[in-house]
Amino acid sequence: AQSVSQHNHHVILSEAASLELGCNYSYGGTVNLFWYVQYPGQHLQLLLKYFSGDPLVKGIKGFEAEFIKSKFSFNLRKPSVQWSDTAEYFCAVNKGFQKLVFGTGTRLLVSP
Amino acid sequence: NAGVTQTPKFRILKIGQSMTLQCTQDMNHNYMYWYRQDPGMGLKLIYYSVGAGITDKGEVPNGYNVSRSTTEDFPLRLELAAPSQTSVYFCATTGTSRNEQFFGPGTRLTVL
Repeated sequence: AQSVSQHNHHVILSEAASLELGCNYSYGGTVNLFWYVQYPGQHLQLLLKYFSGDPLVKGIKGFEAEFIKSKFSFNLRKPSVQWSDTAEYFCAVNKGFQKLVFGTGTRLLVSP
Repeated sequence: NAGVTQTPKFRILKIGQSMTLQCTQDMNHNYMYWYRQDPGMGLKLIYYSVGAGITDKGEVPNGYNVSRSTTEDFPLRLELAAPSQTSVYFCATTGTSRNEQFFGPGTRLTVL
């Protein structure tokens, strides 16, 4: 079965530290890639998405992600995190018209 | 526009009771989805619909039923509640399967 792996389940950082969250998927061929964020007590919101073109994608709030096809990866990055980035982050993948498959999520805690 | 609304926000059920989780969208989207979110497990797809009158099973459909009589509404029915159905339920919608999914605020369900 197709799967999405997020290897970091919990990440703790200090403010201003750099962030990189890993995401790997098992699909072959052309895929659509997403990162969603869920702030405490809220619903999921889209951070960024990749369909095609430039593999470095910029999203909201200073986040970016790089698609590396050879590694089946779509890692999320932010150069300098803020306390307000404390949230759970989900990677999601789909292929063509198929349904989205979500990773298990990474809980990020940013200490002030 | 309200986007995606879900009711109720919270509910406690006894084992064997039934209930319907409501989901309504005013975005005129064809695709609608029901997910459950459990700690450390990410989001699992329960059912989805690609348009009024069309529904299909997702990854974890057992114990649930859906209907889609209109574009706007996609209710999720639990017939015989079980403790394993304790979860947070999210409804989502998208215009096409490639686009971002817009999520509702969620329903937190506890079955005792």
